[in-house]
Amino acid sequence: GESVGLHLPTLSVQEGDNSIINCAYSNSASDYFIWYKQESGKGPQFIIDIRSNMDKRQGQRVTVLLNKTVKHLSLQIAATQPGDSAVYFCAEGQAGTALIFGKGTTLSVSS
Amino acid sequence: KAGVTQTPRYLIKTRGQQVTLSCSPISGHRSVSWYQQTPGQGLQFLFEYFSETQRNKGNFPGRFSGRQFSNSRSEMNVSTLELGDSALYLCASSLEAGRKLFFGSGTQLSVL
Repeated sequence: GESVGLHLPTLSVQEGDNSIINCAYSNSASDYFIWYKQESGKGPQFIIDIRSNMDKRQGQRVTVLLNKTVKHLSLQIAATQPGDSAVYFCAEGQAGTALIFGKGTTLSVSS
Repeated sequence: KAGVTQTPRYLIKTRGQQVTLSCSPISGHRSVSWYQQTPGQGLQFLFEYFSETQRNKGNFPGRFSGRQFSNSRSEMNVSTLELGDSALYLCASSLEAGRKLFFGSGTQLSVL
């Protein structure tokens, strides 16, 4: 079946560094991709999304890159801060179906 | 605008009991989805309701059921609880399925 996975379960960076979190997806029919951040004791919070007709989208300190050729998605966080420490999930979807989530990457930021 | 509200926040049950969890979506959102989150399995999709109809269903046994009311509020029920049902149950609402979900804080269920 289709699944969305992340390459690394954990990522440790220093404050001020740029972070890159990767995600591989398998369903070539997916036309929508999204990143969430989940802090301890809270539900996932939306970070940024991208549709399959785009390769890149930027937000505040975050950039999502989509490579449909190799079915790869990445989240780049610029100037990582301690408040960015959390679990990050990618998800894929198509209109009318459920969003399917990967298992998550835990980002730890040390100061 | 109020976010997604889930009640209760915590639940402790014993094996064999049943439980009902409640979710109030963001006003105007007609799609409500439920996910189970465990440390080893991440977020697993349970089901999605739109205008009181279940449109999408994940791969969970029939002990897991849900419903949606005319005001878009949703409930999920788990019968004959098993130890493995211990998890964080997340409700999310959206304007349409397969697009941006807005999550509640979840209900942490512990089955003893």
